[in-house]
Amino acid sequence: EIVLTQSPGTLSLSPGERATLSCRASQSISSSYLAWYQRKSGQAPRLLIYAASSRATGIPDRFSGSGSGTDFTLTITRLEPADIAVYYCQQYGSSLYTFGQGTKLEIK
Amino acid sequence: EVQVVQSGAEVKKPGESLKISCTTSGYTFTNYWIAWVRQVSGKGLEWMGIIWPYDSDTRYSPSFQGQVTISADKSINTAYLQWSSLKASDTATYYCARADFYYYYLDVWGKGTTVTVSS
Repeated sequence: EIVLTQSPGTLSLSPGERATLSCRASQSISSSYLAWYQRKSGQAPRLLIYAASSRATGIPDRFSGSGSGTDFTLTITRLEPADIAVYYCQQYGSSLYTFGQGTKLEIK
Repeated sequence: EVQVVQSGAEVKKPGESLKISCTTSGYTFTNYWIAWVRQVSGKGLEWMGIIWPYDSDTRYSPSFQGQVTISADKSINTAYLQWSSLKASDTATYYCARADFYYYYLDVWGKGTTVTVSS
């Protein structure tokens, strides 16, 4: 089973700054099956990025994804207070899904 | 508009059975997988399993295999998650979500069903 490890566990930044969230897989995965989600407190998760770098419908271009193989990154530019959330990466392979443990984004 | 509507919150006792639902609309139910995801309060997302409503082909996470049953009724565009004997450790919020056919990302989520198991 592929394990996804996200870092850092918590990220505390100021409005306007850039956030860089990492997701590392225990073995190489297909970029086609790597997605990122945002989960705000009390809400259902929301798809941000699929296929490693494609933005989902309605997601602003401040959110971008990159990476391949075992290392993937979610970048959020020009941080806003509304970006406070826990961000999860997810992969699909061999009929199984795996989520990372999440990165909590705090805005100072 | 694509919608995924989940059944309401449940409070149960240990040992009781439960079946929660996920009703979809706005798309062809049999053309997408439906996934179930658990979130225990304060913890991360855990994938439980996925079903292809066309023929009820179902895949389970090893962590949940044998602990729950996922099913679907394509005549009413509804998927289900059920337990035969609940435990206190099943207390969590359960989400269903539509999964893309090609890339398997979860693009439309229900609001979640909170299940509380307490004596």
